[in-house]
Amino acid sequence: AQKVTQAQTEISVVEKEDVTLDCVYETRDTTYYLFWYKQPPSGELVFLIRRNSFDEQNEISGRYSWNFQKSTSSFNFTITASQVVDSAVYFCALSEPTGGGNKLTFGTGTQLKVEL
Amino acid sequence: NAGVTQTPKFRVLKTGQSMTLLCAQDMNHEYMYWYRQDPGMGLRLIHYSVGEGTTAKGEVPDGYNVSRLKKQNFLLGLESAAPSQTSVYFCASRESGTVADTQYFGPGTRLTVL
Repeated sequence: AQKVTQAQTEISVVEKEDVTLDCVYETRDTTYYLFWYKQPPSGELVFLIRRNSFDEQNEISGRYSWNFQKSTSSFNFTITASQVVDSAVYFCALSEPTGGGNKLTFGTGTQLKVEL
Repeated sequence: NAGVTQTPKFRVLKTGQSMTLLCAQDMNHEYMYWYRQDPGMGLRLIHYSVGEGTTAKGEVPDGYNVSRLKKQNFLLGLESAAPSQTSVYFCASRESGTVADTQYFGPGTRLTVL
């Protein structure tokens, strides 16, 4: 069965610090996708990125970057020069072609608090 | 294009009452999902649908029923609410069943059962 582990329950940083959110996954499939979602205090879930199992290139989008390492089954998310607006819960999720629904398995989330 | 919408946003029920949560999407997506979010547990799948007229059980289906009579709507029903069903409920949709597709979420419904 698939599993996603986000071992960091809560992280607090001071604004402008860099912070990395860890995500480790388990799967038996060779084809799968990994996702990151952001849940700000307002409560909605915002899609951030999708990465397939065959693409291990790092991705950078502004202050956000993602490091996918198949060898360690990890898909870590780094925020550079954090800002107060980055304060949110971040979820890592795994999508596999199991059953008929291609369901997402979510980690338990990491609460990031960025303080002035 | 509103994306995924959920009605209502908040609801308080007494134990034993029933209610229906409505999810609507205007993206012509085939697949729809209902999740619940509880503190420290992430999102857990309740039921899902792979197309109009179909439904299937997810990880935590007990106490819930669903229907997908129209492609754009996915209803989640609680026949006899229990305090354990106090949660935030999210609906999501995706274009198709390919593993690459992204799920897009509604804003959530906060349900309290007293």
